[in-house]
This record gives sequence, structure tokens and C-alpha cells, in this order.
Amino acid sequence: DAGVIQSPRHEVTEMGQEVTLRCKPISGHDYLFWYRQTMMRGLELLIYFNNNVPIDDSGMPEDRFSAKMPNASFSTLKIQPSEPRDSAVYFCASSRQGVETQYFGPGTRLLVL
Amino acid sequence: GENVEQHPSTLSVQEGDSAVIKCTYSDSASNYFPWYKQELGKRPQLIIDIRSNVGEKKDQRIAVTLNKTAKHFSLHITETQPEDSAVYFCAAAVSGTYKYIFGTGTRLKVLA
Repeated sequence: DAGVIQSPRHEVTEMGQEVTLRCKPISGHDYLFWYRQTMMRGLELLIYFNNNVPIDDSGMPEDRFSAKMPNASFSTLKIQPSEPRDSAVYFCASSRQGVETQYFGPGTRLLVL
Repeated sequence: GENVEQHPSTLSVQEGDSAVIKCTYSDSASNYFPWYKQELGKRPQLIIDIRSNVGEKKDQRIAVTLNKTAKHFSLHITETQPEDSAVYFCAAAVSGTYKYIFGTGTRLKVLA
């Protein structure tokens, strides 16, 4: 199994630009999680999906952030417009129904200038 | 809301010594507690987990203990090696969901 796949691995953009992060969960996993990691705030859950449906988006910081999961093998996290304070590592993780263990992708390191 | 506290934030030990990291959680109905290891620039990786119906679990040099009454759980690493140096995160699954609340992490340094 290839594990959770994320792209891009690194993204540098200018303030005000739109940023799209992508995730492919492990095949057969029903749950998909988006996290943000910073030194100041640690690992924060932004949103999670079950069977492509958003279950809990209470961690999404503001309306500039949106996430979609159009099918079982693909999800996006979009920031529009981006701001310097959005600079962080964004992780995607997935897990299987009935098994709580989450498996993390390699992350996308985002820098907003 | 749910909360997980983790201590210490940094820990330095001599190679061969033991390391202990402690976490407390607030949701008494939490039933799953994973521990993740994150090396610099890498993803968090599960190293061990425990469920609420078990008091202790071991995997070679790593063990986790759980005290449900006190709502705390601990990671024990014996015979530490330099490659154990990393940031360790505890987490508690929020009851009735598949989401975790993570602790703030412990940076472990194993000195050769």
C-alpha cells in the first residue's frame, strides 16, 4: 500500500493567492482528516470526513478555508485568499471504519510570503 | 471541551536510560489512546496505542500504561537509543467520534 499521498510537498506563495492542497487516502479507508501543525498551536484538527461527507469542521479557522472530498480517493483543502499566518505544515490522515488508528501523509509545507 | 495535557515539553536522557512522558485527558468516555513519534521534517507515525479496557501494553522497548480513574496515561521507553530522539505526541479519541485531541508534544533528546 502506498500510504496517504499528499501534494504538493512544498508550496511557496504570496499573500492573497489561492492555495490548493491535495490528499489521497489509503484505499479502503472511510475517514479522512486534515490537520495543521505549527510551533505555536501544535497539531490542530481542521476538518474530517466520513464516506466523503464532512462530519466536523469546527476546527476550520475561518471562511478563507474550505475542504472538499468529491470521491473516496481524493480530497482538497483550499485557502483563498492566503495570509502569512497560514504558513504551517498541513497533514492529511486517514483511518478505516471500526479502527481508530490514523495514518498520516507526508504533509505539505506551506509558506505564505 | 475535550483537552489533553502532556508533560514534560522537553526531556533529555542519557543513552541507555529510561524516558517517561505523561498525559492527562478530560473526556472520561475516551476509549482509545495512541502515541505518535515525529522525527524532524517527517510525518507523525504511530508507535503504540492502548484501549480503555487494558491497563498496560508493551512492544519491545516501548510500553504504555493507562489509569482510567485518574484519567492519565504514560509512555515508557527503556534502554533509550539516539534514534529515539524525536517529538512524541499523545492523543485521546473523542468519545463517539473518530477524531483525536492531541497533546502538545514532548521533545525527547537521547544523549550519546
